[in-house]
Amino acid sequence: NAGVTQTPKFQVLKTGQSMTLQCAQDMNHEYMSWYRQDPGMGLRLIHYSVGAGITDQGEVPNGYNVSRSTTEDFPLRLLSAAPSQTSVYFCASSPGLAGETQYFGPGTRLLVL
Amino acid sequence: TQLLEQSPQFLSIQEGENLTVYCNSSSVFSSLQWYRQEPGEGPVLLVTVVTGGEVKKLKRLTFQFGDARKDSSLHITAAQPGDTGLYLCAGVYGQNFVFGPGTRLSVLP
Repeated sequence: NAGVTQTPKFQVLKTGQSMTLQCAQDMNHEYMSWYRQDPGMGLRLIHYSVGAGITDQGEVPNGYNVSRSTTEDFPLRLLSAAPSQTSVYFCASSPGLAGETQYFGPGTRLLVL
Repeated sequence: TQLLEQSPQFLSIQEGENLTVYCNSSSVFSSLQWYRQEPGEGPVLLVTVVTGGEVKKLKRLTFQFGDARKDSSLHITAAQPGDTGLYLCAGVYGQNFVFGPGTRLSVLP
């Protein structure tokens, strides 16, 4: 099992550019989520999905879109990058919510100039 | 205001010392989790505590869930440099996991 994979590991964007952060899991988990991590603020939830075809907003969804066409994949799209989106992005998956382990990918470090 | 607060924010100690870090909330959680995150990697689950008053041990790490299920603590005995990292507590709130801001621990040899 590869677990949760994320690509790319690093990315530099200019303000206004768009891009997609890829996330895939091979554990057949229903629950997937995207977080951003900024110094002193822990992990903040951007979007999440409880199964294929179902997505919902988290705490900080503005400027991001997601889709979940398959159980395995959960891409995160930045529509028009802004410097405030400079952060480290983590994708995670879990069999469910109650007391379940979340498995995290290695992260994508994004710099928006 | 964050749903989960953690203290201290930073902690730097010498190898062999003991330490305790805290996770607090004004809300009741059905369970709380502790994760450790090393630089350049994603968080990894250490433990889940479910029952109020529960104590779980993982080698030199002792986790306790408060009786009212609003707080948790992590105690490390005889800390080692390998314990260095960011310790995050997390719980399920509504349909999501929520995380505290973390305690960054540095254990010096």
